[in-house]
Amino acid sequence: DAGVTQSPTHLIKTRGQQVTLRCSPKSGHDTVSWYQQALGQGPQFIFQYYEEEERQRGNFPDRFSGHQFPNYSSELNVNALLLGDSALYLCASSWTTSGAEYEQYFGPGTRLTVT
Amino acid sequence: AQSVSQHNHHVILSEAASLELGCNYSYGGTVNLFWYVQYPGQHLQLLLKYFSGDPLVKGIKGFEAEFIKSKFSFNLRKPSVQWSDTAEYFCAVNEGRDDKIIFGKGTRLHILP
Repeated sequence: DAGVTQSPTHLIKTRGQQVTLRCSPKSGHDTVSWYQQALGQGPQFIFQYYEEEERQRGNFPDRFSGHQFPNYSSELNVNALLLGDSALYLCASSWTTSGAEYEQYFGPGTRLTVT
Repeated sequence: AQSVSQHNHHVILSEAASLELGCNYSYGGTVNLFWYVQYPGQHLQLLLKYFSGDPLVKGIKGFEAEFIKSKFSFNLRKPSVQWSDTAEYFCAVNEGRDDKIIFGKGTRLHILP
């Protein structure tokens, strides 16, 4: 059973460019959340997708957008990249119809470097 | 707004020493609490979680945590650490089943062999 997978593993972009990161959730999961983990910090919530719609959003600008596909996979898009966007981007999946106790499973992340 | 505070940024211990990592959260309502671990070169994984019931929660690899509601705390403990426990530990909280997870800044634990 494959866990959460993310691609690419590493990415180097230039300021002002746009980037797309991809995530495939764990088998059976229907909800995908994205987090940004800057160096030396804990992960920060960007947004969450369920049924192909953004269900929650953290304190991130509109340059950060996402999409969820019918197969539950998801993309994170960042426009007009800034140096401060350099971070590890984590995808987490969960099953929204699970019982009262649930778990978000995290992928290995995509390391984005903006130069 | 919710926040999570981890008391120690960097902890160094010798093998067999006892461990306690502090975590406090700020939120007055019902919360779910988590400890995640990130081993070097590996992805974030769940160590243990508290949703309800017994405030003493046992997790994987001999870790446990105690939820003290009156102190808004969820400290992580292990009676005897091993070199393989070297990792970064994150305390986290959310308000509900599908709610966003709020993480602390993490504690880097280094175990000396």
